[in-house]
Amino acid sequence: KAGVTQTPRYLIKTRGQQVTLSCSPISGHRSVSWYQQTPGQGLQFLFEYFSETQRNKGNFPGRFSGRQFSNSRSEMNVSTLELGDSALYLCASSFNPGDSGELFFGEGSRLTVL
Amino acid sequence: AQSVTQLGSHVSVSEGALVLLRCNYSSSVPPYLFWYVQYPNQGLQLLLKYTTGATLVKGINGFEAEFKKSETSFHLTKPSAHMSDAAEYFCAVSEGSGNTGKLIFGQGTTLQVKP
Repeated sequence: KAGVTQTPRYLIKTRGQQVTLSCSPISGHRSVSWYQQTPGQGLQFLFEYFSETQRNKGNFPGRFSGRQFSNSRSEMNVSTLELGDSALYLCASSFNPGDSGELFFGEGSRLTVL
Repeated sequence: AQSVTQLGSHVSVSEGALVLLRCNYSSSVPPYLFWYVQYPNQGLQLLLKYTTGATLVKGINGFEAEFKKSETSFHLTKPSAHMSDAAEYFCAVSEGSGNTGKLIFGQGTTLQVKP
């Protein structure tokens, strides 16, 4: 079956702009988590959604937001982009929240902020 | 609060040699521990996990890890390295008892395999 699909794979934005990233989980998976990966900070948890509800949020400013739709697809938005937001944004899905840690990751959306 | 420390950001081994990647954790609850692998330009893939029960867990591609509570360690090993094992490896702990998608990751260890 198809894996986790993230779009777009690559994008370039300028400071002050906003960006929306999309994630389609594996068919049947109802939980989606988002992570930011940077060389300096590593992998950091952004948020987790299940049944259209945010269950968990990481330590990121309010410029980072997300949502989940009734078909389990998820989007995250970053407003007023800063240079430090340049990163690989990874989405992961599971059937239930956590599923004992067995998360299925997409290939990520690589955001460059100029 | 949970945390993970991976000792060594880069490890280099010869093909056929033992692979040992070190991970120490801190957790206020019985830990759920994981090793993930990331190949270039790809997402992460679960190698293996420890939840409860047997402390020696086997994963994909010949990797295994042993949970040692007394040492708060969860080191990853493979008896014989293959060129295809070259990748970045992440140790992680679940913030909860495995019922959350929030994992706390270590900084990662890049494994280089020399011919």
